[in-house]
Amino acid sequence: DQQVKQNSPSLSVQEGRISILNCDYTNSMFDYFLWYKKYPAEGPTFLISISSIKDKNEDGRFTVFLNKSAKHLSLHIVPSQPGDSAVYFCAARLTSGSRLTFGEGTQLTVNP
Amino acid sequence: EPEVTQTPSHQVTQMGQEVILRCVPISNHLYFYWYRQILGQKVEFLVSFYNNEISEKSEIFDDQFSVERPDGSNFTLKIRSTKLEDSAMYFCASKGQINEKLFFGSGTQLSVL
Repeated sequence: DQQVKQNSPSLSVQEGRISILNCDYTNSMFDYFLWYKKYPAEGPTFLISISSIKDKNEDGRFTVFLNKSAKHLSLHIVPSQPGDSAVYFCAARLTSGSRLTFGEGTQLTVNP
Repeated sequence: EPEVTQTPSHQVTQMGQEVILRCVPISNHLYFYWYRQILGQKVEFLVSFYNNEISEKSEIFDDQFSVERPDGSNFTLKIRSTKLEDSAMYFCASKGQINEKLFFGSGTQLSVL
């Protein structure tokens, strides 16, 4: 299942700088996109989402951008903090009740 | 914040044995899910459950798998005859309304030997 893809398995940034995590998808019928964060030994935790009718959604230090024509979304974290170090999953769904399709995840490390 | 609780955190079983993974979703939630993540692979959807019946299942969720909400608080995943390839982290998740965010439990690491 390659419908949602995160091509970077890892990303390392300095504290205070911007982290940009990328995600590509192939199914143009996806109507909603989500980012989850996962710490070791914990389940995924919802971070931020965006509807397919929008191109940007912001929540504090987190902003998600959606480029439908490129079938690409990105998560920006600014400023990055060491506590942001985790695996970040991009996910997409077809309709409001349907399954989430996840990407592979990107391990973000924020260095003090 | 309310939590989805999963027990046990680790389960080791012999191939061919039955296992039951247990979950207590958040108390007023109506939609329930099982996902799993095989080591080094993506988180994969298994099944969704609403109004006491399966609403969607993936191709992974074959006849060896079943789900149950026996008492209004627990939500279980049963694997009838485990295979080596069933070894994975199994996540339970729930949400209150259809458009709300999904809350995940911490997972049960299942190891089939």
